[in-house]
Parts: sequence; structure tokens; C-alpha cells
Amino acid sequence: QKEVEQNSGPLSVPEGAIASLNCTYSDRGSQSFFWYRQYSGKSPELIMFIYSNGDKEDGRFTAQLNKASQYVSLLIRDSQPSDSATYLCALKTSNTGKLIFGQGTTLQVKP
Amino acid sequence: NAGVMQNPRHLVRRRGQEARLRCSPMKGHSHVYWYRQLPEEGLKFMVYLQKENIIDESGMPKERFSAEFPKEGPSILRIQQVVRGDSAAYFCASSPLTRGGHRNEQFFGPGTRLTVL
Repeated sequence: QKEVEQNSGPLSVPEGAIASLNCTYSDRGSQSFFWYRQYSGKSPELIMFIYSNGDKEDGRFTAQLNKASQYVSLLIRDSQPSDSATYLCALKTSNTGKLIFGQGTTLQVKP
Repeated sequence: NAGVMQNPRHLVRRRGQEARLRCSPMKGHSHVYWYRQLPEEGLKFMVYLQKENIIDESGMPKERFSAEFPKEGPSILRIQQVVRGDSAAYFCASSPLTRGGHRNEQFFGPGTRLTVL
């Protein structure tokens, strides 16, 4: 079982819709969760982080964490074509510094 | 504020040569991480360094790869005797001083694309 699992997609949504990106993880000791956006040929860009169960909102983005179910998600409201990218879920366990990444989900927002 | 800087952005080497990749962290950041992204694969952790210390090198290949973060100057990832399988994007990330153990966001540089001919 992979440590961090994401559906590779592509996930296709129409412009203005809500895009829902999901991530599951295997290590119950995971404490910190991060969402990065990566455009083709570019570096990962941090868009959200969450440490506690529940929802965290920042503009059009909402991160949701459920540690009991080992599940973290990212919602993008009012999706725009510029949101088309690969979204990487990452986590840290305990106090280790390293990030463990999922394979990423490709999002396509169609005008 | 300058972000994480990496150079060169593109590096071409022939098999058997050495590759040196440099990373300067964001101002005020003292933790540096190196990741590798192979074509069509995810990001994989390689090594975590603080000034003059390697904290975690669990992701580094056992041979040919080394990393350092000297007291002065950038962090360097060195690959000796490169092979075609080393062709990848190498990203450096930095984070500030620990303020809660796991609660340190990492910010990535633009990466170095290494091509081995």
C-alpha cells in the first residue's frame, strides 16, 4: 500500500464548478498535511496546509481533514481554467522534516 | 523577498561526468530539503539538511550522491559519475526554524532539470 494515494485523473470539471480532490494515507502518525499545485514544467507551489480535523478555508480553497478515516481533501470553488494543473497531496509524520507526496491528481477546468 | 533560488535551471551532462546543483534557501530559512521528480513520477524526498548538518538522508541513493549545506554559501547536491537514469528534475525546498516540529511549510525553488546524454 502506498503511503499517500491519489487518483491520477484527469479530473475534468466545467468552469465555475466545484472541483473535489481526494487523498488517503496509511500512516496514522501523520500530523501535517499539505496541498501543492504544480503546473507542467514548473515547481510545486504551496496552496494549503492543515493540521487539525475539520475544514480550513482560504479564498476559493477549502482543505478537509479526517484523521479517523485517514483522508484529506481539497475543494476548489468557482473553478477557473487557470486552476488546471496537477495537485499534489503531501504529509509529514511525527517530527520528521521530509514531505511524503502522492502521485498527484491532474485537474482540467474546461471553459 | 527572494524565494528559493536554484542554479543552474538546466544542466546537461554526459554519462560519467559530475553534476553539481545549488540551492539558496529563502531569507530567514535554515532548513533545506532536496527532492527528485523522475519523468511521469511523483516527488521523492532525498535529503534534509541544516547548516553544516545532515539531518535525514534516508532518501539518498547509497552511491554517487552527496549533499552539503555549509556555514557559508548555498546547499549543494552532488552527483558523481552520472547515468541516464539520473535524468530528472531536482527541486530544493526550504523552511524556517522549527516552531512546532511538524508545522513547517516548505517552499520550493524552480528546480534544476538534469539531462544525462
